[in-house]
Amino acid sequence: GQSLEQPSEVTAVEGAIVQINCTYQTSGFYGLSWYQQHDGGAPTFLSYNGLDGLEETGRFSSFLSRSDSYGYLLLQELQMKDSASYFCAVTDSSASKIIFGSGTRLSIRP
Amino acid sequence: DTAVSQTPKYLVTQMGNDKSIKCEQNLGHDTMYWYKQDSKKFLKIMFSYNNKELIINETVPNRFSPKSPDKAHLNLHINSLELGDSAVYFCASSRSTSTDTQYFGPGTRLTVL
Repeated sequence: GQSLEQPSEVTAVEGAIVQINCTYQTSGFYGLSWYQQHDGGAPTFLSYNGLDGLEETGRFSSFLSRSDSYGYLLLQELQMKDSASYFCAVTDSSASKIIFGSGTRLSIRP
Repeated sequence: DTAVSQTPKYLVTQMGNDKSIKCEQNLGHDTMYWYKQDSKKFLKIMFSYNNKELIINETVPNRFSPKSPDKAHLNLHINSLELGDSAVYFCASSRSTSTDTQYFGPGTRLTVL
């Protein structure tokens, strides 16, 4: 079967660092993506990991360990505008589709 | 110069009605999708088309019928609307295969009364 698990909610303080974890189980794994969605908005692509290791894009980094079926999104120097839902998504090569997790709602406190 | 556009943005209708949602992308992508996002924000793929050909059809009731007149357009027609169809429907596109980065439209919020 296919499943992804990520925390439903995370709260952090402005200026801090937060990590959102994602574990997955798929029949065929190709890569792990992260998408951001603000309330009332559309999901937008943040990052992609096809190989093990860390990918950095500005304040955001994403990590993948294929052997552990695990990844995370790291957000640094949090800003109020980072308050949004974050979805991990697995590219399932056997099914030729992207499967989204249930999302983590990140709330930022001043 | 919107990349992926959908119309309408909001749709309020009565149970039993038939409605359509239109989607267009100007990114030159080969693959287009329809996703449904329910009230708990769970985002689930419904259909995928590659160059006008249906390639993914999840277990969606046959009241839902996608149509792709060309690779830049993917419309969704829903017959006999039910209360449980209320959700936000997102159109998306990707460069070539279903495994590429998804570019989402702004969404259509469907409310069935």
